Formats: sequence, structure tokens, C-alpha cells
Amino acid sequence: GAVVSQHPSRVICKSGTSVKIECRSLDFQATTMFWYRQFPKQSLMLMATSNEGSKATYEQGVEKDKFLINHASLTLSTLTVTSAHPEDSSFYICSVIKGGAEAFFGQGTRLTVV
Amino acid sequence: GENVEQHPSTLSVQEGDSAVIKCTYSDSASNYFPWYKQELGKRPQLIIDIRSNVGEKKDQRIAVTLNKTAKHFSLHITETQPEDSAVYFCAASKAGGGNKLTFGTGTQLKVEL
Repeated sequence: GAVVSQHPSRVICKSGTSVKIECRSLDFQATTMFWYRQFPKQSLMLMATSNEGSKATYEQGVEKDKFLINHASLTLSTLTVTSAHPEDSSFYICSVIKGGAEAFFGQGTRLTVV
Repeated sequence: GENVEQHPSTLSVQEGDSAVIKCTYSDSASNYFPWYKQELGKRPQLIIDIRSNVGEKKDQRIAVTLNKTAKHFSLHITETQPEDSAVYFCAASKAGGGNKLTFGTGTQLKVEL
């Protein structure tokens, strides 16, 4: 498999501030990483595809200026939630694909905006 | 884009009984169908997957069946145990063609003693 580490696991921030979430592929070079958001008791919804060395591809309805993605190396992608508001409170989780199909997920980040 | 529907949303069974969860997908180009188990606050864990060139796959108490013509696939858990209680998600993707996973809406499985 692949080992994916996400940091932080939990974060509380004030409304209007920005929060950065890191996703690291520890044993695998990932040219592509995926960012999902999961609201309580709901499914995982793909937010964007992070591409190493190029711009991320955002899903319809996801504001690229609000959710900034940087994939500067083959082992690290970051998601920055800018000007966070309480409605951004959610579980954010990243994944990489290895072996052509199987997804390996980070531990997830529980973001609470107060 | 792909759309995955999942039923039922909740399922309660007695320990030892079987549980079946069903999913349908819309994109005939999807060729990879994983099932995940997710416990509260944790990452999804892959429990079984199937590719479109196979109709059925089994791993101990867990099996998945795929009907490409009807575009539906199902998860079967036999001899359920309390530790099987969790939320289960099906998903679909085009392996090698973007690999974006589209998830079903989830099934809360409760195995009662």
C-alpha cells in the first residue's frame, strides 16, 4: 500500500482566518493527490485534484480562490482554507492512487471554525 | 459526470445474519468499484474492490458482485459481527482515466447482539 499522512488531525480557527492542511505521501511519489470534504453523516465529496507542478483541477461548485491547493513536490500537497467561515467546518481528507486504481487516504483533518 | 446511488441508508441486522448493500452507477466507462468501511472520525478503509472484467469477488466473509449491464454492484457480508458496525461507502472510478472516485451516499450498518 501507500502511507499517507495528513496534518493537523484537528484544528479550530476563528472566523476570517486561514488554515493550511498538509498531505504527505510518505513512501510513494504522487504526481496526483485528491482532496475530499465530508460533512457530518454525509459522503465524501471530491473538491479538487492536486497536480504536481501545475494548477489544481477543481470540481464544479468549489471556489478555487477559497480553497487554495499547492502541490510543490511529489510527496506534499497542501490545502489552504482562506477566510474560513463556520460553514467551512468539515472533515477534510486527502488521498493518493497507487497501483493504477486503489486509493490510500490520509487520516483526515477535522476543521472547526468558530 | 459519474453518479453513484447507494441503498439502504441504514441497515440493522442481528449478529450472525447477512447484510447486503447495493449501489448503482451511471457512467458505463467506470471500471473500478471499491467498498470502504469508515468508523466515526476515521479515514475510509478499503475492504474489497472489483474491476469491471470480473463479476464476483470474495474475501472471507465479504463478497462483491458486479453487473455491468445493469450498472450495479453489491456488497455482501455474511456472519455479521458487532465489529462490522460502521458506515460503508461504495465508489466508482475510471482506473487509468483520471482515477477520480465518486462515492455513494453511505450505509450505516448496525449489528445487534
